[in-house]
Amino acid sequence: SQQGEEDPQALSIQEGENATMNCSYKTSINNLQWYRQNSGRGLVHLILIRSNEREKHSGRLRVTLDTSKKSSSLLITASRAADTASYFCAAQGGSEKLVFGKGTKLTVNP
Amino acid sequence: GAVVSQHPSWVICKSGTSVKIECRSLDFQATTMFWYRQFPKQSLMLMATSNEGSKATYEQGVEKDKFLINHASLTLSTLTVTSAHPEDSSFYICSARVIGGPYNEQFFGPGTRLTVL
Repeated sequence: SQQGEEDPQALSIQEGENATMNCSYKTSINNLQWYRQNSGRGLVHLILIRSNEREKHSGRLRVTLDTSKKSSSLLITASRAADTASYFCAAQGGSEKLVFGKGTKLTVNP
Repeated sequence: GAVVSQHPSWVICKSGTSVKIECRSLDFQATTMFWYRQFPKQSLMLMATSNEGSKATYEQGVEKDKFLINHASLTLSTLTVTSAHPEDSSFYICSARVIGGPYNEQFFGPGTRLTVL
């Protein structure tokens, strides 16, 4: 299976600090996506990075992709309490299917 | 952005009953919808891909007779959990792809929490 793995599983930081989450996947991909999920809610798409891209920015988010290591990282800069949520990476290969990682639960303390 | 709704948002039922969950694309048409389940503190696992007008494609290990999927229109897919048991208690999330839209873009519903007593 292409199940991704995130680390850390849980991360607790103070407001203003940066948060970095990592994701690894197993097979070749067309793109890798990051999603956010507030407790008991649906998913919100954050950012997509294609397999031929190495880095992408969107506001306070920065995503990197290393296809040789089959890994990606999500950096949230200057975190806020409202960033508290679970973050998932999802790998997409040649089909529409998304294979989600296990997620990182981020807690930003005010 | 495209909006996907689910109904109900939560449901509690007795063991042995069947529960239907609806997934609707509100402001777009979707030929393809996806159903996921998520156990507490775990990731989303794809259950099946639902295509309008044809049979759903189930992932390995998902019982098609247990989880009936119907995609009768371009804006509605339903998941029926038949003869539900406590182990079916989970968070069920659907997503939809805009017809003619990029294959890599899915819009997710808010989820339905099923609790089977």
